[in-house]
Amino acid sequence: GAVVSQHPSRVICKSGTSVKIECRSLDFQATTMFWYRQFPKKSLMLMATSNEGSKATYEQGVEKDKFLINHASLTLSTLTVTSAHPEDSSFYICSARISSVGTDTQYFGPGTRLTVL
Amino acid sequence: GESVGLHLPTLSVQEGDNSIINCAYSNSASDYFIWYKQESGKGPQFIIDIRSNMDKRQGQRVTVLLNKTVKHLSLQIAATQPGDSAVYFCAECLSFGNEKLTFGTGTRLTIIP
Repeated sequence: GAVVSQHPSRVICKSGTSVKIECRSLDFQATTMFWYRQFPKKSLMLMATSNEGSKATYEQGVEKDKFLINHASLTLSTLTVTSAHPEDSSFYICSARISSVGTDTQYFGPGTRLTVL
Repeated sequence: GESVGLHLPTLSVQEGDNSIINCAYSNSASDYFIWYKQESGKGPQFIIDIRSNMDKRQGQRVTVLLNKTVKHLSLQIAATQPGDSAVYFCAECLSFGNEKLTFGTGTRLTIIP
């Protein structure tokens, strides 16, 4: 159980285009999903917290108009990188939170490798 | 600001030996800690967690130790296998249920056959 998927796994796009990344919890409902960014050989940096049915909460320094997050259902959150530039190239990872009595754990997706040419 | 870090960026261990990965955290208010394993090109995988009211927790071949006095966390992997080769991250959370995780810098563990 607790499987999180991301699509696509890899994407290459031209500078100036927008890219949408999907994050799905496959066998559970997640009221909260998170989006992280990871540079090569670096740690994960939280970009935003996404709550179903409400606006995402962005971390300091993350442009909300640049990284659009939509959490339309309990199993799907999307991250759209708008007007992508080469510096947006990175590994984007989502996680979904399971919270119940005695359990509060984030399960991570496999990540999406974005390359902007 | 507050941060979570690791003492060693890389660690090589002979297959079958035990390994210990260390993590130092600076936020004394943190109440919940998790270890994740990340293989190349994949997302982090939950290994084990511990709350601040405990100093030790065991799983299958893994043990997490927490020393709040010196703000130190460690992950012990027993009888290492080639599949244990990965980058290991510790993460801290202000409280169980708080949601927001702060990740350490990671340690690359390499198991030598």
